[in-house]
Formats: sequence, C-alpha cells, structure tokens
Amino acid sequence: AQSVTQLDSHVSVSEGTPVLLRCNYSSSYSPSLFWYVQHPNKGLQLLLKYTSAATLVKGINGFEAEFKKSETSFHLTKPSAHMSDAAEYFCVVSEGNSGNTPLVFGKGTRLSVIA
Amino acid sequence: EAQVTQNPRYLITVTGKKLTVTCSQNMNHEYMSWYRQDPGLGLRQIYYSMNVEVTDKGDVPEGYKVSRKEKRNFPLILESPSPNQTSLYFCATLYPRGTGAYEQYFGPGTRLTVT
Repeated sequence: AQSVTQLDSHVSVSEGTPVLLRCNYSSSYSPSLFWYVQHPNKGLQLLLKYTSAATLVKGINGFEAEFKKSETSFHLTKPSAHMSDAAEYFCVVSEGNSGNTPLVFGKGTRLSVIA
Repeated sequence: EAQVTQNPRYLITVTGKKLTVTCSQNMNHEYMSWYRQDPGLGLRQIYYSMNVEVTDKGDVPEGYKVSRKEKRNFPLILESPSPNQTSLYFCATLYPRGTGAYEQYFGPGTRLTVT
C-alpha cells in the first residue's frame, strides 16, 4: 500500500532564504509523485509532478523537487523564499495499481515566510 | 478549457437539513472523487466513482452519499449534516496516463459550515 509522510507540519523561513519541505513516500510500485500548493482560501494548484522521467523536476514559481528512490524521498525546494510562497503544501503519491485510492495525500506542511 | 466546477462555493447550514454539493466536469473523465480537507489531516477521500453507476467508499464515507447517473456529474449528498462535517470539500477527476500515473483536476472547493 502506498503512503506519504510530510515530515514537518510547519516550516518558517525568512524572505530570501532557501525553502525545504520534506516528503517521504512508501509505494509497492513505481509511483508518481506530486506537490500541490494551497494559498489561504484558495483551491489546490499543481506545483510539479514526477512521473518516471527526469528525477529532478522543475515546477512553477521557482520550485523544484528531486525524486530519490534510494531514500524514498521527494523533497520540495526553492532557492529563495518570497512572501507570496506562504501557503500550505501537500505531497501526493499516486500508484497506478493501487486499486481504489489512486491518490494519497500527505497531511500538509504550512510554510510561513518572515519579512 | 478543462474544468471541474463545484457549487455552492460556500454554504452555512443547520444540523439535519439535507444538502447537495454539485460537481461537474467537462473532460469526459471516467474517474471522479470527493475529498474533505481538515486542518492537520490533509485531504481524505470520501467516495469515488470509476464510471457511470459505479461508486465506492473511500476512507471517510460515513454520513455521505453520492450518485453517478451521468459521466459529467458527481454530486455529494449529506442527508442529515452534523457539525463534524464542517470542512472544505474538493471534487476531483482523474485521468490515467497509461504509465501508472494519473492527471488530476481539482474543483475550487466548497467550504461547508454546519451549525
């Protein structure tokens, strides 16, 4: 069965400093992995996705994530945080053969950016 | 434009008063799903539908019903809402890419408050 663990429920960074949001997954098959962002009172927006192509995935707004099979990780990074990055971030794993739940969401990491 | 729409976007109701949240998609996707989002719990699947007239329970189905009479619509029904169903609800469609991955499309969300 697939699962995803976001290691931090809350991360706080200063504007202009790097962002690291950690995600570990468990999957019996070759998974697809996604990061979504949700700004306050907004819907979910896809940041980036990994689907068995390049292990370093570049997304929108300067975010990127690296798929590391040996570490079962898919951490989200950004070199320099901006105030507009303050939001909730969700790591999601998709396992095509998982049957009734193709998507499993992490519990989310709230990113705060301090001026 | 590929779209998943939900109505209403915001709803305040009282305990026991039946309500329906509609979900409609214009992509002809077979798979649709309902999620609820609660602080610290991420998104949890309520019900899903693999195709017309095929529905099944997700992780948290208690207190909810769904129907899938046509491919484009997947309404969520709360026969007798209770305060613990106060939440943010998302409808989503999934499209299998054939490599084990899915394309996901989320609706904008419905914020429900039950008093």
